Amino acid sequence: GENVEQHPSTLSVQEGDSAVIKCTYSDSASNYFPWYKQELGKGPQLIIDIRSNVGEKKDQRIAVTLNKTAKHFSLHITETQPEDSAVYFCAASINNAGNMLTFGGGTRLMVKP
Amino acid sequence: NAGVTQTPKFQVLKTGQSMTLQCAQDMNHEYMSWYRQDPGMGLRLIHYSVGAGITDQGEVPNGYNVSRSTTEDFPLRLLSAAPSQTSVYFCASRHPAEGYTFGSGTRLTVV
Repeated sequence: GENVEQHPSTLSVQEGDSAVIKCTYSDSASNYFPWYKQELGKGPQLIIDIRSNVGEKKDQRIAVTLNKTAKHFSLHITETQPEDSAVYFCAASINNAGNMLTFGGGTRLMVKP
Repeated sequence: NAGVTQTPKFQVLKTGQSMTLQCAQDMNHEYMSWYRQDPGMGLRLIHYSVGAGITDQGEVPNGYNVSRSTTEDFPLRLLSAAPSQTSVYFCASRHPAEGYTFGSGTRLTVV
């Protein structure tokens, strides 16, 4: 089955700096890659996703890049703010329906004011 | 408000007890699923359903049962709770174009 690895497990940045979280996946058939933000005591919330026919996608301060050849994808957050502090999860799915999402282990991002 | 509602939010069980975790969504999503979240392991899929009357196993189905009699509800049953089932459980529903919507979770402790 699919295996998703996520690094780093913790990341501390100064407010205003950029943060990058990286994930690798094992199954070359995977074609849907969402990113989730989880705040304390809440469920994961979708923040951005990318499909295999696209190499990069941006939404304001958040961007995701995908390298299908290397089987890795990354989340980039620019101009970080304290409210960006949370746990971020990447995931991969073998079909666009996303029925069987496989998650990475998570990254705890801390943005210091 | 539209979304995924999970009950209860917290539960403590004794080993061997049974219980049902409730999940309901009002978005008319066909796809629903249950995940468990353990420290350092991300979320792992327990069971999922692609529509009323249809369920299937995920990555870690042992010890759990599900049913899907209506589009709205997708309960998760623990028939005989074990300490290894101590975890945070999340229910999610999915819109094909919008991805998953997760509930706020049920924190279960089995003693």
